[in-house]
Amino acid sequence: DTGVSQNPRHKITKRGQNVTFRCDPISEHNRLYWYRQTLGQGPEFLTYFQNEAQLEKSRLLSDRFSAERPKGSFSTLEIQRTEQGDSAMYLCASSFVWGDRGGEQYFGPGTRLTVT
Amino acid sequence: DQQVKQNSPSLSVQEGRISILNCDYTNSMFDYFLWYKKYPAEGPTFLISISSIKDKNEDGRFTVFLNKSAKHLSLHIVPSQPGDSAVYFCHAGGTSYGKLTFGQGTILTVHP
Repeated sequence: DTGVSQNPRHKITKRGQNVTFRCDPISEHNRLYWYRQTLGQGPEFLTYFQNEAQLEKSRLLSDRFSAERPKGSFSTLEIQRTEQGDSAMYLCASSFVWGDRGGEQYFGPGTRLTVT
Repeated sequence: DQQVKQNSPSLSVQEGRISILNCDYTNSMFDYFLWYKKYPAEGPTFLISISSIKDKNEDGRFTVFLNKSAKHLSLHIVPSQPGDSAVYFCHAGGTSYGKLTFGQGTILTVHP
């Protein structure tokens, strides 16, 4: 299977705990994106990487959120001191962008976070 | 600031008929547009895209139309099939393919 994978698929945590999610993109893709989706809404952009460089972060990505892509391959998204409002589906996507080609993103199945 | 809007939360269509899903955007800098389909418990799946140099792109049963002056795009599915029942998202951004913005989604139900 060469698709985008995310782990874990579900995470239940208590308010105030830290959580970390992992995303493994399609291996030849150079871009990696994180989104958050709540019920009835489209995915909201959080951040994206070009190889290992984090090129843009949304204002939604507060100081409790941090994302890394240390070797330009897999990425982690950490949420510190979780709040109930962090409960959502966290989606990862990857794409290959070269010059003016690219753009379609391939999504993983998501990690559903529930903060109790 | 909702820059991409899908004003119809749901659409119901009979099998074999045309499904038309609509999307409006406000940011004139957007020049690349995509449609995704999403089934429950899965991530979105890319369907079709269009850049602002075109006004139409067709792929099998799926056609996307772009009206730049109206800042409007639409996805036509002909003929609609029950397997097309899903949530459809419009996705828009610049051709740097950095931050792209999703619409809220339209739930399409195709009845046999």
